[in-house]
Amino acid sequence: GESVGLHLPTLSVQEGDNSIINCAYSNSASDYFIWYKQESGKGPQFIIDIRSNMDKRQGQRVTVLLNKTVKHLSLQIAATQPGDSAVYFCAEINTGNQFYFGTGTSLTVIP
Amino acid sequence: GAGVSQSPSNKVTEKGKDVELRCDPISGHTALYWYRQSLGQGLEFLIYFQGNSAPDKSGLPSDRFSAERTGGSVSTLTIQRTQQEDSAVYLCASSLRGQGKETQYFGPGTRLLVL
Repeated sequence: GESVGLHLPTLSVQEGDNSIINCAYSNSASDYFIWYKQESGKGPQFIIDIRSNMDKRQGQRVTVLLNKTVKHLSLQIAATQPGDSAVYFCAEINTGNQFYFGTGTSLTVIP
Repeated sequence: GAGVSQSPSNKVTEKGKDVELRCDPISGHTALYWYRQSLGQGLEFLIYFQGNSAPDKSGLPSDRFSAERTGGSVSTLTIQRTQQEDSAVYLCASSLRGQGKETQYFGPGTRLLVL
């Protein structure tokens, strides 16, 4: 029979363009957030984190923005490269240090 | 140093059989986590070990699932009488102390397929 599965949100960008990946979180008590990158066949890899007392944090080619008012987190990747193709997902950590992970967004970089 | 390692990388088993999945955390990390990742899903928390404390088993989906951590290092996740819905990627992560806001470092996962 036909298999039915959940499909990740997808984002396709041209090489060299900037990418923006969004994440909505649910718990207003979450005070720490992490973005992970997961390449095919590998475990998640830490990219960047941000605490709730900040609204922006920059890394190498990546920027995370946090909007606590609307409980929204975004990851911006500058000058996207083919090696950036992966699934990206956010994690929210509440004051009890419990991790909750989003389902992820699949980023495809078109050369 | 070496990262988190998991074995086997792939496991195919028949429905009803038991399987054991192994995780070697980063040396010196006292906190160890097991997660399950099904196709198109986020990470589902299963169990958390911190030092010598009693593990947090609140995420285990049924009594067919159990985990041990011997000597505060290596952990084994056991699934008894496997079902087809157990097919997933099982990921292990470790962190230094498991307290405060720490990054979890993930292993490559074990891909389990139950036929």
